[in-house]
Amino acid sequence: SQQGEEDPQALSIQEGENATMNCSYKTSINNLQWYRQNSGRGLVHLILIRSNEREKHSGRLRVTLDTSKKSSSLLITASRAADTASYFCATEGDFGNEKLTFGTGTRLTIIP
Amino acid sequence: NAGVMQNPRHLVRRRGQEARLRCSPMKGHSHVYWYRQLPEEGLKFMVYLQKENIIDESGMPKERFSAEFPKEGPSILRIQQVVRGDSAAYFCASSPLTDANYGYTFGSGTRLTVV
Repeated sequence: SQQGEEDPQALSIQEGENATMNCSYKTSINNLQWYRQNSGRGLVHLILIRSNEREKHSGRLRVTLDTSKKSSSLLITASRAADTASYFCATEGDFGNEKLTFGTGTRLTIIP
Repeated sequence: NAGVMQNPRHLVRRRGQEARLRCSPMKGHSHVYWYRQLPEEGLKFMVYLQKENIIDESGMPKERFSAEFPKEGPSILRIQQVVRGDSAAYFCASSPLTDANYGYTFGSGTRLTVV
C-alpha cells in the first residue's frame, strides 16, 4: 500500500497565487522528499527534509514536516504556468538502505 | 553528465512476448531502483539493485518479472509473456549512496504498451 497520501488530489489556481499541497504518511521516516512530474516525463527531485528538521526552503518552495502528525506540506509561492505538473511526496524509512515509497500525487494546474 | 538513461522510450509488445527495459544509472551511482506507474497513479516500487546484487525485490510480481544489474552494462528489467495489465510506464532511478539522503535521479521512463 502507498505510504504517502497527498491532499488534494487536484488543485487549480491562478498564476501568481500560492499553492499548498499536503502529504500524510504512516510509519517512522528518515527523510521525506518532494518530486515533480511533468506530463509524460520522469520525476524531478525538488527538496528533501530530514526527520529532525521542521522547515526547509528552496527558492519559491517551502516544505514543512510534522513528525508527530506524520505529515508534510509543500508550498509553492508566486506560482507560474510552468509549475503545472503532478507533485509527489516520498518517504524513506528510518532503518537506512531502504527504497523511497511514493504517495499518490497532487495534480497542480496553474491558470495563466 | 547524461543523467539516468532509459531505453527504449516506448515499447509495444503483443501478449505473450517478452519485454526488456534498460537503464543506465548516472555515472558514479551504484544503486538502481525500478518503479512502475499506472496512468493517473503514483509510483509503485518494484526492485532495488546494486551491482550484481538484488537488495530488495519485495515489489516485484513473483512470476514473469526479473531484474538484474550486472557488473558491466545497464540494469535490465525483464517481463516475460506480457499481458495487457503490464501496460504502464516503468521508471528507473539511481542514487550514489545506500540511503536516499540526496534524493533519486530518475530516467524519463519506458512506456510499455501490450496489445
